[in-house]
Amino acid sequence: KAGVTQTPRYLIKTRGQQVTLSCSPISGHRSVSWYQQTPGQGLQFLFEYFSETQRNKGNFPGRFSGRQFSNSRSEMNVSTLELGDSALYLCASSPGLAEETQYFGPGTRLLVL
Amino acid sequence: DAKTTQPTSMDCAEGRAANLPCNHSTISGNEYVYWYRQIHSQGPQYIIHGLKNNETNEMASLIITEDRKSSTLILPHATLRDTAVYYCIVRVVGAGNMLTFGGGTRLMVKP
Repeated sequence: KAGVTQTPRYLIKTRGQQVTLSCSPISGHRSVSWYQQTPGQGLQFLFEYFSETQRNKGNFPGRFSGRQFSNSRSEMNVSTLELGDSALYLCASSPGLAEETQYFGPGTRLLVL
Repeated sequence: DAKTTQPTSMDCAEGRAANLPCNHSTISGNEYVYWYRQIHSQGPQYIIHGLKNNETNEMASLIITEDRKSSTLILPHATLRDTAVYYCIVRVVGAGNMLTFGGGTRLMVKP
Protein backbone atom coordinates (compact mmCIF):
# COMPACT_ATOMS: atom_id res chain seq x y z
CA LYS A 1 0.00 0.00 0.00
CA ALA A 2 1.12 3.50 -0.70
CA GLY A 3 1.74 5.61 2.37
CA VAL A 4 0.27 8.95 3.31
CA THR A 5 1.06 11.53 0.67
CA GLN A 6 1.13 15.28 1.13
CA THR A 7 1.32 17.97 -1.49
CA PRO A 8 3.09 20.20 -2.03
CA ARG A 9 6.22 19.22 -0.12
CA TYR A 10 7.57 22.76 0.04
CA LEU A 11 5.84 26.08 -0.24
CA ILE A 12 6.84 29.71 0.06
CA LYS A 13 4.19 32.36 0.66
CA THR A 14 4.12 35.95 1.80
CA ARG A 15 2.30 37.46 4.74
CA GLY A 16 -1.39 38.00 4.14
CA GLN A 17 -1.72 35.29 1.52
CA GLN A 18 -3.62 32.09 2.01
CA VAL A 19 -2.49 28.53 1.44
CA THR A 20 -4.12 25.14 0.90
CA LEU A 21 -2.33 21.93 1.74
CA SER A 22 -3.46 18.51 0.64
CA CYS A 23 -3.27 15.08 2.24
CA SER A 24 -4.13 11.72 0.73
CA PRO A 25 -4.48 9.02 3.40
CA ILE A 26 -3.55 5.39 3.05
CA SER A 27 -6.16 3.56 0.99
CA GLY A 28 -9.02 2.46 3.22
CA HIS A 29 -8.20 4.89 6.01
CA ARG A 30 -11.05 7.17 6.96
CA SER A 31 -9.49 9.28 9.69
CA VAL A 32 -7.14 12.12 8.90
CA SER A 33 -5.43 14.35 11.46
CA TRP A 34 -3.30 17.43 10.94
CA TYR A 35 -0.41 18.68 13.04
CA GLN A 36 1.82 21.73 13.01
CA GLN A 37 5.46 21.44 13.99
CA THR A 38 7.60 24.45 14.82
CA PRO A 39 10.94 24.69 16.65
CA GLY A 40 9.37 26.70 19.43
CA GLN A 41 6.10 24.87 20.03
CA GLY A 42 6.94 21.37 18.86
CA LEU A 43 4.27 19.11 17.41
CA GLN A 44 0.77 20.46 17.97
CA PHE A 45 -2.55 18.95 16.99
CA LEU A 46 -4.64 21.03 14.58
CA PHE A 47 -7.72 18.97 13.81
CA GLU A 48 -9.04 15.53 13.00
CA TYR A 49 -11.56 14.46 10.40
CA PHE A 50 -13.51 11.26 10.08
CA SER A 51 -16.13 10.58 7.43
CA GLU A 52 -16.06 14.21 6.31
CA THR A 53 -16.79 15.48 9.84
CA GLN A 54 -14.40 17.36 12.09
CA ARG A 55 -14.10 15.32 15.26
CA ASN A 56 -11.53 17.25 17.26
CA LYS A 57 -9.90 20.63 17.00
CA GLY A 58 -6.76 21.94 18.60
CA ASN A 59 -6.16 25.37 20.04
CA PHE A 60 -5.53 27.30 16.85
CA PRO A 61 -7.15 30.48 15.54
CA GLY A 62 -10.00 30.38 13.05
CA ARG A 63 -7.56 31.18 10.24
CA PHE A 64 -6.78 27.48 10.28
CA SER A 65 -9.48 25.35 8.73
CA GLY A 66 -9.82 22.02 7.07
CA ARG A 67 -12.13 19.69 5.33
CA GLN A 68 -12.37 16.10 4.27
CA PHE A 69 -13.82 14.76 1.06
CA SER A 70 -15.89 11.64 0.47
CA ASN A 71 -12.78 9.78 -0.70
CA SER A 72 -11.14 10.62 2.67
CA ARG A 73 -8.64 13.01 1.13
CA SER A 74 -8.24 16.10 3.26
CA GLU A 75 -7.18 19.67 2.81
CA MET A 76 -6.22 22.29 5.30
CA ASN A 77 -6.32 26.00 4.65
CA VAL A 78 -4.57 28.84 6.38
CA SER A 79 -5.81 32.31 5.57
CA THR A 80 -4.09 35.64 6.15
CA LEU A 81 -0.72 34.03 6.67
CA GLU A 82 1.57 35.29 9.42
CA LEU A 83 5.30 34.81 9.79
CA GLY A 84 4.64 32.50 12.72
CA ASP A 85 2.75 30.11 10.48
CA SER A 86 6.06 28.96 9.01
CA ALA A 87 6.19 25.33 10.01
CA LEU A 88 6.15 21.72 8.97
CA TYR A 89 2.54 20.63 8.52
CA LEU A 90 2.02 16.93 9.03
CA CYS A 91 -0.91 14.76 8.12
CA ALA A 92 -1.63 11.39 9.69
CA SER A 93 -4.16 8.75 8.77
CA SER A 94 -5.66 5.74 10.48
CA PRO A 95 -8.41 3.28 9.56
CA GLY A 96 -10.89 4.62 12.08
CA LEU A 97 -11.31 6.42 15.37
CA ALA A 98 -10.62 3.47 17.61
CA GLU A 99 -7.43 2.50 15.89
CA GLU A 100 -4.16 2.04 17.59
CA THR A 101 -1.74 3.29 15.02
CA GLN A 102 -1.52 6.49 13.04
CA TYR A 103 0.63 6.76 9.97
CA PHE A 104 2.23 10.08 9.21
CA GLY A 105 3.05 11.60 5.87
CA PRO A 106 6.33 13.37 5.07
CA GLY A 107 4.85 16.79 5.70
CA THR A 108 4.60 20.08 3.86
CA ARG A 109 7.19 22.66 4.80
CA LEU A 110 5.67 26.14 4.62
CA LEU A 111 7.80 29.26 4.74
CA VAL A 112 6.03 32.58 5.16
CA LEU A 113 8.06 35.64 4.19
CA ASP B 1 -4.41 12.83 28.05
CA ALA B 2 -1.85 12.39 30.82
CA LYS B 3 1.37 14.35 30.70
CA THR B 4 4.65 12.56 30.12
CA THR B 5 8.18 13.45 31.16
CA GLN B 6 11.21 12.35 29.19
CA PRO B 7 14.91 13.24 29.32
CA THR B 8 15.80 15.86 26.76
CA SER B 9 18.64 13.89 25.22
CA MET B 10 20.54 10.63 25.45
CA ASP B 11 23.53 9.05 23.78
CA CYS B 12 24.00 5.40 22.92
CA ALA B 13 26.86 3.46 21.36
CA GLU B 14 26.10 1.70 18.10
CA GLY B 15 25.27 -1.96 18.68
CA ARG B 16 24.33 -1.44 22.30
CA ALA B 17 20.84 -1.37 23.73
CA ALA B 18 19.18 2.03 24.00
CA ASN B 19 16.89 2.38 27.00
CA LEU B 20 14.61 5.40 26.83
CA PRO B 21 12.63 6.18 29.99
CA CYS B 22 9.29 7.90 30.26
CA ASN B 23 7.41 9.03 33.34
CA HIS B 24 3.61 9.17 33.22
CA SER B 25 2.68 9.22 36.88
CA THR B 26 -0.85 10.57 36.29
CA ILE B 27 -1.83 7.94 33.73
CA SER B 28 -5.42 6.70 33.94
CA GLY B 29 -6.53 3.11 33.81
CA ASN B 30 -7.83 3.38 30.26
CA GLU B 31 -4.80 5.17 28.82
CA TYR B 32 -2.26 3.39 26.67
CA VAL B 33 1.43 4.21 26.39
CA TYR B 34 2.58 4.89 22.84
CA TRP B 35 6.00 5.50 21.40
CA TYR B 36 6.71 7.33 18.16
CA ARG B 37 9.97 8.54 16.73
CA GLN B 38 10.83 11.27 14.30
CA ILE B 39 13.93 11.12 12.21
CA HIS B 40 15.11 14.55 11.18
CA SER B 41 12.54 16.41 9.06
CA GLN B 42 10.42 13.31 8.45
CA GLY B 43 6.95 12.48 9.73
CA PRO B 44 6.73 10.64 13.06
CA GLN B 45 6.86 6.87 12.88
CA TYR B 46 4.90 4.56 15.17
CA ILE B 47 7.08 2.20 17.17
CA ILE B 48 5.05 0.34 19.76
CA HIS B 49 2.29 0.70 22.33
CA GLY B 50 0.99 -1.08 25.42
CA LEU B 51 -1.53 -0.90 28.23
CA LYS B 52 0.00 -2.76 31.15
CA ASN B 53 1.84 -5.78 29.83
CA ASN B 54 5.28 -5.65 28.33
CA GLU B 55 5.25 -5.64 24.55
CA THR B 56 7.77 -6.53 21.87
CA ASN B 57 7.77 -6.15 18.12
CA GLU B 58 10.37 -6.16 15.39
CA MET B 59 11.49 -2.64 16.23
CA ALA B 60 11.56 -2.46 20.01
CA SER B 61 10.39 -3.64 23.41
CA LEU B 62 8.20 -1.70 25.81
CA ILE B 63 8.49 -2.30 29.52
CA ILE B 64 5.72 -0.81 31.68
CA THR B 65 6.08 -0.80 35.45
CA GLU B 66 3.48 -2.61 37.49
CA ASP B 67 1.98 0.64 38.79
CA ARG B 68 2.02 1.96 35.19
CA LYS B 69 3.57 5.23 36.28
CA SER B 70 6.60 4.83 34.06
CA SER B 71 7.82 2.88 31.08
CA THR B 72 11.00 2.19 29.13
CA LEU B 73 11.43 1.79 25.41
CA ILE B 74 14.25 -0.56 24.53
CA LEU B 75 15.99 -0.64 21.17
CA PRO B 76 18.00 -3.86 21.57
CA HIS B 77 20.81 -3.14 19.11
CA ALA B 78 20.87 0.53 18.22
CA THR B 79 22.16 1.56 14.82
CA LEU B 80 23.06 4.97 13.46
CA ARG B 81 19.68 5.03 11.71
CA ASP B 82 17.97 4.98 15.10
CA THR B 83 19.20 8.52 15.75
CA ALA B 84 15.93 10.42 16.16
CA VAL B 85 13.61 12.17 18.58
CA TYR B 86 11.56 9.63 20.52
CA TYR B 87 8.16 10.63 21.84
CA CYS B 88 6.31 8.91 24.66
CA ILE B 89 2.56 9.60 24.53
CA VAL B 90 -0.34 8.40 26.62
CA ARG B 91 -3.78 8.34 25.11
CA VAL B 92 -7.19 6.74 25.40
CA VAL B 93 -7.83 4.40 22.49
CA GLY B 94 -11.25 4.83 20.95
CA ALA B 95 -11.61 8.50 21.82
CA GLY B 96 -10.28 9.89 18.58
CA ASN B 97 -6.81 10.00 17.15
CA MET B 98 -5.44 13.20 18.65
CA LEU B 99 -1.89 12.74 19.85
CA THR B 100 -0.39 15.12 22.40
CA PHE B 101 3.35 15.30 21.82
CA GLY B 102 5.77 16.49 24.46
CA GLY B 103 9.35 17.46 23.87
CA GLY B 104 10.58 13.91 23.41
CA THR B 105 14.08 12.51 23.88
CA ARG B 106 16.72 13.22 21.28
CA LEU B 107 18.66 9.95 20.96
CA MET B 108 22.06 10.16 19.38
CA VAL B 109 23.57 6.82 18.38
CA LYS B 110 27.32 7.14 18.06
CA PRO B 111 29.74 4.84 16.22
